[in-house]
Amino acid sequence: EVQLVESGGGLVQPGGSLRLSCAASQFTFSSSWMSWVRQAPGKGLEWVANIKQDGSEKYYVDSVKGRFTISRDNAKNSLYLQMNSLRDEDTAVYYCARGRELGYWGQGTLVTVSS
Amino acid sequence: QSVLTQPPSVSAAPGQRVTISCSGSSSNIGNNYVSWYQQLPGTAPKLLIYDNNKGPSGIPDRFSGSKSGTSATLDITGLQTGDEADYYCGTWDNSLSAVVFGGGTKLTVL
Repeated sequence: EVQLVESGGGLVQPGGSLRLSCAASQFTFSSSWMSWVRQAPGKGLEWVANIKQDGSEKYYVDSVKGRFTISRDNAKNSLYLQMNSLRDEDTAVYYCARGRELGYWGQGTLVTVSS
Repeated sequence: QSVLTQPPSVSAAPGQRVTISCSGSSSNIGNNYVSWYQQLPGTAPKLLIYDNNKGPSGIPDRFSGSKSGTSATLDITGLQTGDEADYYCGTWDNSLSAVVFGGGTKLTVL
């Protein structure tokens, strides 16, 4: 069964940085587009970024452009999200998801931006 | 304000049928496949429908999807109390170069 396990969340002050990781298993990671999707407390889903199989294409939601960077290591079956200049409004559960259709999701990792 | 528009809530009795709409534009639904996701309370979202009307393995055929022009619809028949959840539509937006979601619809099974 496909497994996606996020890690790296936590409490960070505004302006700080955090790096999220997503460990993938039980599927061919190098053949899949991968995405990060977030959900603020009590709110709906917001797509954050995605990355092509070989990392040659990356797309971001406008609100994180220039602050967040998505990357992947196919040798390690891992997806990453480097988050810099964090703001209060970045507080959310962050999910990684597989494929352009977001066919499988991890359990999420909570990021809290607060002073 | 979400790019895709869904009703905030719908409700129906057990055994009945409910329809959830998702309205967009030519830059998103009109020219791309639509997916639907179910999020049970306290859990991660799960893919219900992809490519407008295809169900992943393991999804009951009580759930079906369709698309017409710039709108999409999720149909759920034979409602069960376990179907109470938030439902989201999603697709790619060519103008934004981004995945966009609807605001979500809360289904209550009375």
